[in-house]
Amino acid sequence: QVQLQESGPGLVKPSQTLSLTCTVSGGSISSGSYYWSWIRQPAGKGLEWIGRIYTSGSTNYNPSLKSRVTISVDTSKNQFSLKLSSVTAADTAVYYCAAERYSSSGDAFDIWGQGTMVTVSS
Amino acid sequence: DIQMTQSPSSLSASVGDRVTITCQASQDISNYLNWYQQKPGKAPKLLIYDASNLETGVPSRFSGSGSGTDFTFTISSLQPEDIATYYCQQYDNLPYSFGQGTKLEIK
Repeated sequence: QVQLQESGPGLVKPSQTLSLTCTVSGGSISSGSYYWSWIRQPAGKGLEWIGRIYTSGSTNYNPSLKSRVTISVDTSKNQFSLKLSSVTAADTAVYYCAAERYSSSGDAFDIWGQGTMVTVSS
Repeated sequence: DIQMTQSPSSLSASVGDRVTITCQASQDISNYLNWYQQKPGKAPKLLIYDASNLETGVPSRFSGSGSGTDFTFTISSLQPEDIATYYCQQYDNLPYSFGQGTKLEIK
């Protein structure tokens, strides 16, 4: 059973870079059946897809964040990471890593990390 | 980008009630729609994929239907443990997008 766990600082100063890592356990990140995504949720608000990476290193980003986002993968550590630069208070949110399965029967986020709260404040 | 509009934003119902939530896409997304349940302080959980397919292990009182731009999510008989916020999500086009959520409460 694949599980995901986010890690990283819970407090980031404005204008700095938010960095989070998602560790995949119970399976290989290179299995080829998943895209690996980041999704965030400001307090009391809805879900926003940030972007995703495939184990080949191919990425897709939300255009609303594309200029500030980098998602990378480290297959040797079974991890993928998020970097969000030039953060402001508007980036304060719970950040989730999620696995998007893809198949002939459709794509879906079927595995989620527990989420990690990141606050942007000086 | 595809906009997803859910209604209602909140809903109060009694145990045993039939509950229906709708989700409308700003353009045709075929059946590329999923439904998630999120309980307070928890990550979302996949309930329905491809508009109408029940995820393994999800109770059969949950169901989904629709295609094109209009979709429906139904709980046939509301249980106390179903109290949560429900989200639709389209995967027809990147960037993926979610509805704003429907918060379900017990009356």
